[in-house]
This record gives sequence, structure tokens and C-alpha cells, in this order.
Amino acid sequence: EAGVAQSPRYKIIEKRQSVAFWCNPISGHATLYWYQQILGQGPKLLIQFQNNGVVDDSQLPKDRFSAERLKGVDSTLKIQPAKLEDSAVYLCASSLDSHRGPAGFFGPGTRLTVL
Amino acid sequence: AQSVTQLDSHVSVSEGTPVLLRCNYSSSYSPSLFWYVQHPNKGLQLLLKYTSAATLVKGINGFEAEFKKSETSFHLTKPSAHMSDAAEYFCVVREGNAGNMLTFGGGTRLMVKP
Repeated sequence: EAGVAQSPRYKIIEKRQSVAFWCNPISGHATLYWYQQILGQGPKLLIQFQNNGVVDDSQLPKDRFSAERLKGVDSTLKIQPAKLEDSAVYLCASSLDSHRGPAGFFGPGTRLTVL
Repeated sequence: AQSVTQLDSHVSVSEGTPVLLRCNYSSSYSPSLFWYVQHPNKGLQLLLKYTSAATLVKGINGFEAEFKKSETSFHLTKPSAHMSDAAEYFCVVREGNAGNMLTFGGGTRLMVKP
């Protein structure tokens, strides 16, 4: 079974630039999550989708972060403009439905460095 | 509200000795609890999960954890550490009424000395 795919794996940008990350969940998984993991900390949920609708985006900094899952499959997470404190690994996870949580299906992450 | 506290940010053991990684949680409802492992430059991998069945849960690679409701703990153990166990370990809680989202602890870095 193919896992959660993410790209790019690494990205280096300067502050105030824009960046986008892509996630392809496991086939058939209705629920998709984006997490931010700052170095030395546990992952923090940014946004949760159920199909193409947002379930929870309470911790998403909406002034600069946006995410979409237009067709209920792939998702993109965008930061515009980036700040130094956005340097982190961005993890995508998926699950069959929201009742089970992403118990085991995390992507490899995108490591973002903002200079 | 749910929260997780991993009591040690770093644990160092010798190869072949027991491993104990401590985790305490706070939850308003009966939670599900997980342990994940993250090797350097690798994705998060589920080690084991507790979902209100047996309180002693066995996971992969010889790890196990015991859910103790009276102590609100879910400590991770392994009888004998292997060099390949060196990694970051995360204790995670999921509360059903919190949109089923996961709340991660701060992580414990396990170092294994030869």
C-alpha cells in the first residue's frame, strides 16, 4: 500500500517569500491533516479536512497560511509571506475517516528553512 | 481539553538494558493513546495504540505500554534496548470530542550507548 506522499522534501526560502507544499494522501482516505513540527517540539495540528471541507483550522495562522483540498484528494498548504519562525517540518497525514485519526499514516514531511 | 506531558526530554540507556519513557496525559473524556517513533529524517511511525481494550498494549519492535487510568499515565517500555531504537518518541492523545485530532507531547529523545 502506498503511503502519504509529500513534496518537496526540502525547501529553503527567504523571509517574505511565498512557498507551497503538496500532499497526496493514501487512496480512499477522506480525512487529511496538516501538522507543523518546529525543531525540538511535537507536531502541532494546523488544519484538518474531511473530504474537501475544513473540520478544524483553529490553529492555522490565517493571515499568512492557507490550505485547500479542492477535489477531496490532494491538498496544498501555502505560506505567504513566510517569516523566520515558520521554519519547521510540515507533516501531512491521512485517515479513512475522522473517527480513527491519523493513527499510522504520516508522510515524510517537508522541511522548510526560512532565511 | 486534552494535553500530554512527556516527563523526560532526553533518556540515555546502554544497549541491552531496559527502556522507560514516561508519559502523563490529561483528558476530559476516555482518550485513545498512542506512541509514535521518529527516526532522523524519517516520517512518524506508529509504535502502538490504546483504544479502551486491554490496558497493556504490545507494539512493534518489542515495545509495550500500560494504560493506568488512576495515574493518568501511559509509559512506554522495552526490556532490552537496541542501538536501532535511538530516535525521538512522541506520546499522543486523541479525544473523541476534540474532532478526533491528535495532541502530541513534546517528545523524548532516546540515546542508546554501546
